[in-house]
Parts: sequence; structure tokens; C-alpha cells
Amino acid sequence: DIQMTQSPSSLSASVGDRVTITCRASQGISNYLAWFQQKPGKAPKSLIYGASSLQNGVPSKFSGSGSGTDFTLTISSLQPEDFATYYCQQYNSYPLTFGGGTKVEIK
Amino acid sequence: QVQLQQWGAGLLKPSETLSLTCAVYGGSFSGYYWSWIRQPPGKGLEWIGEVSHSGGTNYNPSLKSRVTISLDTSKNQLSLRLSSVTAADTAVFYCATGPYGGYLQRWGQGALVTVSS
Repeated sequence: DIQMTQSPSSLSASVGDRVTITCRASQGISNYLAWFQQKPGKAPKSLIYGASSLQNGVPSKFSGSGSGTDFTLTISSLQPEDFATYYCQQYNSYPLTFGGGTKVEIK
Repeated sequence: QVQLQQWGAGLLKPSETLSLTCAVYGGSFSGYYWSWIRQPPGKGLEWIGEVSHSGGTNYNPSLKSRVTISLDTSKNQLSLRLSSVTAADTAVFYCATGPYGGYLQRWGQGALVTVSS
């Protein structure tokens, strides 16, 4: 199985901050990497697929980059509605696997 | 646009079989892939398995011996069966879909299943 490691596991940030979350795969996954946002009590919401393609309707403050084993999700200017847990997921090979999550909290 | 709605038994006893259904509205199965994912309370996401629009399946090896995922194209429904459940199977279960294998574009609302004697 491909292991997905996210860092940090949690972070505190202020409204307006630029936030970067990192995801590392245990082996190369090309660009078969997705990012999700999950708020308490809600289903995950797809933000980015193909490592850098924005899902329809997702604001452009979210961006993704990377290829191979190292990937990043960046939120350019954190807003109150962005406080949530973020997960990466690889779909290069089965079984599909997720990172452990990064909880973004208000400072 | 495709919407997914889930339902199923919320409380099970150990050794029983979990059964969940996910209905598809605003679209069909044609060309899409359908997955089940679970999330234990306060924990991360675990992929359970996937069925393609043609009926081909992929399962997580950790659950493969207990899982069956299938499509009912006449009803536009996806189903999950997980046998011999234990307390470790307590989780919120989600269905999800996307236009190619492994891509989880849209998710159902989730269904909490609790296993307790």
C-alpha cells in the first residue's frame, strides 16, 4: 500500500494568513493526488484533483502543486470558512489511501 | 448534477452484517466509478472499495474477506455489505463517485453505523 504522510497534523493561523500543507507519498504517484476539506459533522468536499486542478466551484484561493512524491496545498488568504480539516488522497494505485489529515484552527 | 443520498441500519450487534444503500439522483451509473469510505469517530478516512459502471470491483485488502459492493442499475443504487462486524467497524460510512477510478469527486452525506452489544 502507498502511505500518505501529511504535515503538520494541526496548525493555528489567523484570518488573512497564507497556509501551506504538505503531503508526501511513500512511492511515486505521478499527479494522481487529490485534496479534500472536511468540516465537523460534514462529508469531505473535493477541492483539487490531479495535484493542481481546481474542482468546479472551488475558490481560486486554494491551489495545489507537486508531482511524484511531494505535494502541497496552499490557501492564499485564510478566511473564517476555511477552518477545517484537510486530507490528501492518492489514486495512483489500489488500495486508495488518505493522509492522516491537517486540522487548521483559529489562532 | 449528481447527488448521492445514503441510508441503512444505524445500530448493529457484533457478528451481524452491515448493509447500506446509496441512491443516485440527477445522473446515472454510466461512465462513473463508485466507492465506499469510512471514518471512525474522531479519526481519519479509510477507503473500503470501489465498483465501476461495468461492475468490476476493487477492495481494500484489509476488508476484502468481509466486503461486497454492488450496483443496481435498475434502481440507480449502490450498496455495501460488511459481514461479521465488531466494535472496530463503528464509523460514519460515505459513498462517493467520480468519472474515473479512484477519483472521489462527489460524496454522500454519510451514515453513522454503531456496533455495540
